[in-house]
Amino acid sequence: QSALTQPASVSGSPGQSITISCTGTSNDVGGYNYVSWYQQHPGKAPKLMIYDVTTRPSGVSNRFSGSKSGNTASLTISGLQAEDEADYYCSSYTADTTRVFGGGTRLTVL
Amino acid sequence: QVQLVQSGAEVKKPGASVKVSCKTSGYTFTSNGINWVRQAPGQGLEWMGWISAYNGHTNYAQKLQGRVTLTRDTSTSTAYMDLRSLRSDDTAVYYCARGSSFSPDAFDIWGQGTMVTVSS
Repeated sequence: QSALTQPASVSGSPGQSITISCTGTSNDVGGYNYVSWYQQHPGKAPKLMIYDVTTRPSGVSNRFSGSKSGNTASLTISGLQAEDEADYYCSSYTADTTRVFGGGTRLTVL
Repeated sequence: QVQLVQSGAEVKKPGASVKVSCKTSGYTFTSNGINWVRQAPGQGLEWMGWISAYNGHTNYAQKLQGRVTLTRDTSTSTAYMDLRSLRSDDTAVYYCARGSSFSPDAFDIWGQGTMVTVSS
């Protein structure tokens, strides 16, 4: 199972919006509505930000939103804040009942 | 509150085995599965496998099949990850993560991570 494809880095200024893409295949992202997104600050454990493509867990800011079109899922962060600077990973359920992560995207807030 | 507390850092020689524990608290252990995820230094996340805390059923990443075994002890609400025939590229932080009650494919609570270093 190959890792999902994410851009290595994205950047934006405070207050702006950014979108991180996560591309897979019909055997993972495109075949199921089981895409999750995780935020990871340096030296910390990942934190769940979005699950089931669009659902935010309780306590996660509504500045974070998820979507999917075909084999590509996306995470959008609006109203960028300095604290959003982190690594972001997507994850998907797969046809062989395993899970696969994306390679990760480093978000820099300029 | 819900917590997953992992065992401490390990240093192992190539060819050895390591067993990492993940003690849970704050919820009914058998209601959620436990996933294991690792992260090599400076690299991304890699899903290793899942165990049902209810009945012990497991599912492993193909890459690790035959070298990893996940178990659990319901009497102590603890999950375990056993990795054998260690190689240098197994050097990583190993995390346990609970499968969410809302969506089993969402990992909603994570342990603090256990650093495993494989070096001769």
